Amino acid sequence: GENVEQHPSTLSVQEGDSAVIKCTYSDSASNYFPWYKQELGKGPQLIIDIRSNVGEKKDQRIAVTLNKTAKHFSLHITETQPEDSAVYFCAPSSNDYKLSFGAGTTVTVRA
Amino acid sequence: SAVISQKPSRDICQRGTSLTIQCQVDSQVTMMFWYRQQPGQSLTLIATANQGSEATYESGFVIDKFPISRPNLTFSTLTVSNMSPEDSSIYLCSVEAPPGKTQYFGPGTRLLVL
Repeated sequence: GENVEQHPSTLSVQEGDSAVIKCTYSDSASNYFPWYKQELGKGPQLIIDIRSNVGEKKDQRIAVTLNKTAKHFSLHITETQPEDSAVYFCAPSSNDYKLSFGAGTTVTVRA
Repeated sequence: SAVISQKPSRDICQRGTSLTIQCQVDSQVTMMFWYRQQPGQSLTLIATANQGSEATYESGFVIDKFPISRPNLTFSTLTVSNMSPEDSSIYLCSVEAPPGKTQYFGPGTRLLVL
């Protein structure tokens, strides 16, 4: 099965600074790369995803970059705000429907 | 996207009892999934709920412990049977929606077994 590593496990940033989370996967057949945000007491929310035919995707302050050769993709959050504080999960998927979740990154934005 | 609701949102149960969790989605979907999230941990897929046939279980999960129903394209239930404290977790359902592989999650059911 897919082996997924997510780094760092915790990240504390000053409000307004940028945050970057990296996800490394093992299955070269992976072709779908989503990021989820989970706030306390809630279910995971899809915030951005990318498919293997694209190298980068941006949605306002959030972006995802993909390096298929190196088998990693990253979440970038710019101009962080207190409401960005949450746990973030990567969940790459290969040719079937299954998502393989990383261990999660707890992001804290300091005001 | 899809709007997903779960019932109950939380429950406290005694060991040895069973709890059935309901998942309702606002549109017809082919794929529905059940996940477990143990305290402070990531998500683990329990099974895929197939409409009109038996659920497909992942390694480590069995039908006797987690029976699943999928009577139609908008509804599924997961039962946690003969519960023990180790079953205390968040149980989440998700659905796959276009454009393919995109999964949306319900709010979760927080279960505490005493």
